[in-house]
Amino acid sequence: EAAVTQSPRNKVAVTGGKVTLSCNQTNNHNNMYWYRQDTGHGLRLIHYSYGAGSTEKGDIPDGYKASRPSQENFSLILELATPSQTSVYFCASGEQGTEVFFGKGTRLTVV
Amino acid sequence: GQQVQQSPTSLVLQEGENAELQCNFSTSLNSMQWFYQRPGGSLVSVFYNPSGTKQSGRLTSTTVIKERRSSLHISSSQITDSGTYLCAMELSGSFNKLTFGAGTRLAVCP
Repeated sequence: EAAVTQSPRNKVAVTGGKVTLSCNQTNNHNNMYWYRQDTGHGLRLIHYSYGAGSTEKGDIPDGYKASRPSQENFSLILELATPSQTSVYFCASGEQGTEVFFGKGTRLTVV
Repeated sequence: GQQVQQSPTSLVLQEGENAELQCNFSTSLNSMQWFYQRPGGSLVSVFYNPSGTKQSGRLTSTTVIKERRSSLHISSSQITDSGTYLCAMELSGSFNKLTFGAGTRLAVCP
């Protein structure tokens, strides 16, 4: 069974602070993704990666950075967190033309 | 404009009734995937169905690429089917990135 693990599952951060969301996959997939889900906006792509060392901007990258240090790990970094970044974040992995698998999500609250 | 349109937005069924959820897309695509999500829950893949018909228990998915549509049929609905169903498409040339519909919120009542 494909596995995508996110940590932490819940996080409360202060405005202006740095937040790192981590994602690990054991599927040996080349592609990894970070989405956020908000009421009224659905799921939107923030950053993605085609392999270790690569990161690409998705549809809403402003205020976020990403890091892919290895095949298995993909991080989403909020250097200066803002309340507008309060959301549920999902990590996913996949290969082109095949099923995409999602993690359980991280609920981030920025106060 | 929105590339993935889901209908209906919401649906209420009596237990035992059938449901047909639709997803229409405005451009060519590589694949289509259906997900299920409980409130506050994770995204669970229901079907990966780039074309044709697939069945799993009471659920059937049909994707017709030429007509740019995919459907999810739920037969003999159960209360535990309640939740949100999301379709997502991998656009041609998008390298496995998914574009999601807004979802159909299903409530099955006893």
